[in-house]
Amino acid sequence: DIQMTQSPTSLAASVGESVTITCLASEDIYGSLVWYQQKPGKSPQLLIYGATILEDGIPSRFSGSGSDTQYSLKINSLQPEDFASYYCQNGLSTPRTFGGGTKLELK
Amino acid sequence: QVQLMESGPGLVQPSETLSLTCTVSGFSLTSYNVHWVRQPPGKGLEWMGVMWSGGSTDYNSALKSRLSISRDTSKNQVFLKMNSLQSEDTTTYYCAREGNWELQYWYFDFWGPGTMVTVSS
Repeated sequence: DIQMTQSPTSLAASVGESVTITCLASEDIYGSLVWYQQKPGKSPQLLIYGATILEDGIPSRFSGSGSDTQYSLKINSLQPEDFASYYCQNGLSTPRTFGGGTKLELK
Repeated sequence: QVQLMESGPGLVQPSETLSLTCTVSGFSLTSYNVHWVRQPPGKGLEWMGVMWSGGSTDYNSALKSRLSISRDTSKNQVFLKMNSLQSEDTTTYYCAREGNWELQYWYFDFWGPGTMVTVSS
């Protein structure tokens, strides 16, 4: 099984700042990396797939990068609605493993 | 529009069997994969298993001995059954549709709202 390791597990930032979350796969996933955002009490929402492709309707301040085993999610100019938890996922193979999550909190 | 909705008992006795239903609309189960994911309170997401569009299944190896996923395409429903429930199975259970980009990249594009299941006597 492919293991997904996310860092940091939590992150405090202010509105307007930029933050980066990283995800490391235990083996090459050939760009098949997915990012989700989850707000308290809600189901996860798709942000990015294929490591870099922004889902329709997602603001352009979100961006993804990476290849092979190392991937990143960057959020520019944080907005109040961005404070949530973020998860990466292996979209290449079964099991579709998730990273442990990153909780982005308001500083 | 695409919708998924989980339904289930809410409360299950320890050692009993959990039965959940994911009712979908706006797409065909024979064209899209449907996955089950769970999330303990305050914790991360755990992939449980999948009903592939072709009708086969795959399971999380840690749950495989207890888990069964099936479907009724005529009713647009996917079912999850898990036996021998314990307190650690107290979580929110989600079903999610899997979309793809040109059959190259796969992702969960629509999720149900989730159903919370508590295992307690």
